[in-house]
Amino acid sequence: DAGVIQSPRHEVTEMGQEVTLRCKPISGHDYLFWYRQTMMRGLELLIYFNNNVPIDDSGMPEDRFSAKMPNASFSTLKIQPSEPRDSAVYFCASSATRDSIYEQYFGPGTRLTVT
Amino acid sequence: QKEVEQNSGPLSVPEGAIASLNCTYSDRGSQSFFWYRQYSGKSPELIMFIYSNGDKEDGRFTAQLNKASQYVSLLIRDSQPSDSATYLCAVRGGSNYKLTFGKGTLLTVNP
Repeated sequence: DAGVIQSPRHEVTEMGQEVTLRCKPISGHDYLFWYRQTMMRGLELLIYFNNNVPIDDSGMPEDRFSAKMPNASFSTLKIQPSEPRDSAVYFCASSATRDSIYEQYFGPGTRLTVT
Repeated sequence: QKEVEQNSGPLSVPEGAIASLNCTYSDRGSQSFFWYRQYSGKSPELIMFIYSNGDKEDGRFTAQLNKASQYVSLLIRDSQPSDSATYLCAVRGGSNYKLTFGKGTLLTVNP
């Protein structure tokens, strides 16, 4: 069974440009999480969805960030406009309610560099 | 603000020794506790979870939980160079599915 798929794996962009990160969760998983990881702040939860509905977006840093989940197999995280301080590794993770421990499975991450 | 604190390390141990990783958390309502391992340049992967006070063993790994002290630890016996990684402690409250992660402890096992 395929794991969580993220694209692109690496993204380099200039300040002010729009960036879109993509995620395909594991089939059958009903929770999807977006995280950001930096050396300074560690792994931070940005937003999570349950059955395609955003449940908690309190971790989204500001209005420049937005996330959508139009269906059970696809989610996007968009940054517009991007800034150098957005440089980080962005992880998508998914989990299933049927899993008693709600283990979160992480994708390989997207390394974003904003110059 | 719910916080999870870990010693950032690096923690260096010789091969075959016991590595002890520690974590404290601020939210007394926390219900579930997880240890994730993250190799350099890779994504986190779950290695242990614990819900109840006491010890839980899985192979060379033992998780320990003390809710009164708000403390959780991970012991790795017979440490191997392949255990060299960053270990992330994560905590979940009882009413939601969010995980709050510590910043991780870098473990280096020297051959």
